[in-house]
Amino acid sequence: IQLTQSPSLLSASVGDRVTLSCKGSQNINNYLAWYQQKLGETPKLLIYNTNSLQTGIPSRFSGSGSGTDYTLTISSLQPEDVATYFCYQYNNGWTFGGGTKLELK
Amino acid sequence: EVQLVESGGGLVQPGRSLTLSCVASGFTFSNCGMNWIRQAPGKGLEWVAYISSGSSYIYYAETVKGRFTISRDNAKNTLYLQMTSLRSEDTALYYCARADPMGSSRNWFAYWGQGTLVTVSS
Repeated sequence: IQLTQSPSLLSASVGDRVTLSCKGSQNINNYLAWYQQKLGETPKLLIYNTNSLQTGIPSRFSGSGSGTDYTLTISSLQPEDVATYFCYQYNNGWTFGGGTKLELK
Repeated sequence: EVQLVESGGGLVQPGRSLTLSCVASGFTFSNCGMNWIRQAPGKGLEWVAYISSGSSYIYYAETVKGRFTISRDNAKNTLYLQMTSLRSEDTALYYCARADPMGSSRNWFAYWGQGTLVTVSS
């Protein structure tokens, strides 16, 4: 399964509601996770099984979707959210999307 | 506290071999599937290989199948990745990551090591 993330680069302001998209080439059956990777750091799990928030992750992060289309939403962007975000499917094999780089406007 | 510590990376010539290790602590290693994931400099993430808790199930990415071998020693809490016939495109930071939930091959990665850098160059 191929994963396509859009946009590849997103500029937003503090306090904005931000939406990142991930589209699969086949049905992912909700076996989708999201990771955040800050510069020079190890990827951090944010969401698994489409919408389950990993322990310790702020509630401004949420996930949704079904079938081939999935979304990560940040309800109110904070400066510390500047990072690259990767979606990841584990329904059929294990593949990552190409990433969305999120920067402050 | 879960800890994963990789080692064994370095500079290696194309066509040569290298073996990576990942020592686990803070959880029952023998109960958990494990993975290797890599990231080329400035690029995205690529899953490389998975091994189940008892080594019964092993899977590889097509890009490394036939060249890389994942294995584990549960008595030593250690995961390995034996890499042969290395190519320049194998240059990457190699992470080991625990498979969650336990007992499922449909797994995500909540715990990662800091990675070990492999550079393939002449």
